[in-house]
Amino acid sequence: DAGVTQSPTHLIKTRGQHVTLRCSPISGHKSVSWYQQVLGQGPQFIFQYYEKEERGRGNFPDRFSARQFPNYSSELNVNALLLGDSALYLCASSLVFSGGDTQYFGPGTRLTVL
Amino acid sequence: AQRVTQPEKLLSVFKGAPVELKCNYSYSGSPELFWYVQYSRQRLQLLLRHISRESIKGFTADLNKGETSFHLKKPFAQEEDSAMYYCALRLTGGGNKLTFGTGTQLKVEL
Repeated sequence: DAGVTQSPTHLIKTRGQHVTLRCSPISGHKSVSWYQQVLGQGPQFIFQYYEKEERGRGNFPDRFSARQFPNYSSELNVNALLLGDSALYLCASSLVFSGGDTQYFGPGTRLTVL
Repeated sequence: AQRVTQPEKLLSVFKGAPVELKCNYSYSGSPELFWYVQYSRQRLQLLLRHISRESIKGFTADLNKGETSFHLKKPFAQEEDSAMYYCALRLTGGGNKLTFGTGTQLKVEL
């Protein structure tokens, strides 16, 4: 198993554009979480999805949205990009929703907004 | 709201010296605490969690509820320990949401 995979690896967008980031969890994992990591900071929680339903949302504007598909892969969408959205976006997967389950992180997608 | 504080951005020690990476948290309930590590050019990975009370790669961490701390320790640093270390907190009943500190870069010098 390749672990959690994310695409694309890098992305450059301009202000006002829209971006879609993709994540494939480890086989058998049903929960996917998204984090934003700004340079010099720790990852910040954006969303958690479990069984295709949103189960948690961090303090991010409505420009950020996500969804999970029947195969448990997930997309993170960001509309009307701002310079401050430039960051590493991490996806993490786990077997279940909670209960002491370990999260496994992907390599991230580096988004640069010009 | 919960908060995790890692006061040192960079910690430099010599090989064989003891290591202590500090982590303090603020939360009135009973959180679950973790240490994650990111080696150069690798993805973020779990190092240890307080409920396991285990030693991983020689590292240990004890949850001190009185001081709201979860410091990471290792008696003898190795060169391969050089990495970025993040302390994280998860609330009981909070799903998988992790609240991370800002991280400490550990550099082990020969």
